[in-house]
Amino acid sequence: LAKTTQPISMDSYEGQEVNITCSHNNIATNDYITWYQQFPSQGPRFIIQGYKTKVTNEVASLFIPADRKSSTLSLPRVSLSDTAVYYCLVGDGLRGNTPLVFGKGTRLSVIA
Amino acid sequence: DSGVTQTPKHLITATGQRVTLRCSPRSGDLSVYWYQQSLDQGLQFLIQYYNGEERAKGNILERFSAQQFPDLHSELNLSSLELGDSALYFCASSVDGVRVGNIQYFGAGTRLSVL
Repeated sequence: LAKTTQPISMDSYEGQEVNITCSHNNIATNDYITWYQQFPSQGPRFIIQGYKTKVTNEVASLFIPADRKSSTLSLPRVSLSDTAVYYCLVGDGLRGNTPLVFGKGTRLSVIA
Repeated sequence: DSGVTQTPKHLITATGQRVTLRCSPRSGDLSVYWYQQSLDQGLQFLIQYYNGEERAKGNILERFSAQQFPDLHSELNLSSLELGDSALYFCASSVDGVRVGNIQYFGAGTRLSVL
């Protein structure tokens, strides 16, 4: 499994765009990049997944450069309710149903 | 609401006791995963079942066991409990088969306190 590195914590003011970058230098050809969000005492929640270029959904955008050695989760106009831990995971997209390996994640604190 | 149901939400017990945690996966999901989250260890994978069969094993202690029943619900049994077993236990489920993008849906968790 590709190892990921992301900042331990980030602070942001309400209304700002937040970008969290994840490094995954050893990403394999079949690997997909997936981001989860976890609020205190709740289970992780799937946010977004991508393979290359850009993916956007109603919650976030995911930017993946051509070399795929990093990815950036972009949260537009954050609010206090976006305060959570965000996990970047890299795994084999062709083999579904495999355990997820969570790192420490990035603790995002949104300030009023 | 992820569609994954875990019961009970909270469990308080004493050292040496045995408890059972229950999980009902999302409708149609054949895979069930158990994870443990404690303050000092982060989220750790314990075990996975797929359509009733054990598929993968992670950092699960011998005192712990699990099974998945024909109706696809799963139970995690924790025995000879120790103080260090106090943690949040999450169940997750995913769609079966060879499918790109392994996305798992997590339940709300069971908070176990061993006193």
